[in-house]
Amino acid sequence: NAGVMQNPRHLVRRRGQEARLRCSPMKGHSHVYWYRQLPEEGLKFMVYLQKENIIDESGMPKERFSAEFPKEGPSILRIQQVVRGDSAAYFCASSPSPTGSSYEQYFGPGTRLTVT
Amino acid sequence: RKEVEQDPGPFNVPEGATVAFNCTYSNSASQSFFWYRQDCRKEPKLLMSVYSSGNEDGRFTAQLNRASQYISLLIRDSKLSDSATYLCVVLVLTGGGNKLTFGTGTQLKVEL
Repeated sequence: NAGVMQNPRHLVRRRGQEARLRCSPMKGHSHVYWYRQLPEEGLKFMVYLQKENIIDESGMPKERFSAEFPKEGPSILRIQQVVRGDSAAYFCASSPSPTGSSYEQYFGPGTRLTVT
Repeated sequence: RKEVEQDPGPFNVPEGATVAFNCTYSNSASQSFFWYRQDCRKEPKLLMSVYSSGNEDGRFTAQLNRASQYISLLIRDSKLSDSATYLCVVLVLTGGGNKLTFGTGTQLKVEL
């Protein structure tokens, strides 16, 4: 059973370009979460999605960032017109439909974005 | 005040030592609690969930005190391979779903 998959693992973009990060959840998981970890800082929640729905985007910057989880295919985190401050590790996590106390989330290996 | 607070460390301990990490959280509506482990530049990995009754998994024991809003992790007989950053994680259920809030982590270095 493959774990959470993210690609690319490393992404270099120049200022002003677009970055697209992809995440495929674990088999059987229908909930996807994106987190950002800035250098020397903790993980910060960005957005929570189910298939075709954004459930909670309270952690997303108001501009340039968007996320989707289409009916088919991976979840995509999109950053338009990247700036140096967007350089970070972006982690995706997935969970099954939460029932009872099953709220555990499992993380992918992350995408390290470097903006030059 | 941070939602989840941890002592950043580092804790430098000799192999075989017992080490304890503490964590406090500010949101009394927090529903579930976890300890994750993060190795340098890698993804966080779930170490264990934390229950009110306390729970143990091998050399690891986790405790939760809801009244004090306090969580702990005890590692006995520490190994070199335990060197990592330990993240205290709290889940709050909202109308929109469930969201994990992470502490900034406590760094552990186990030495020979």
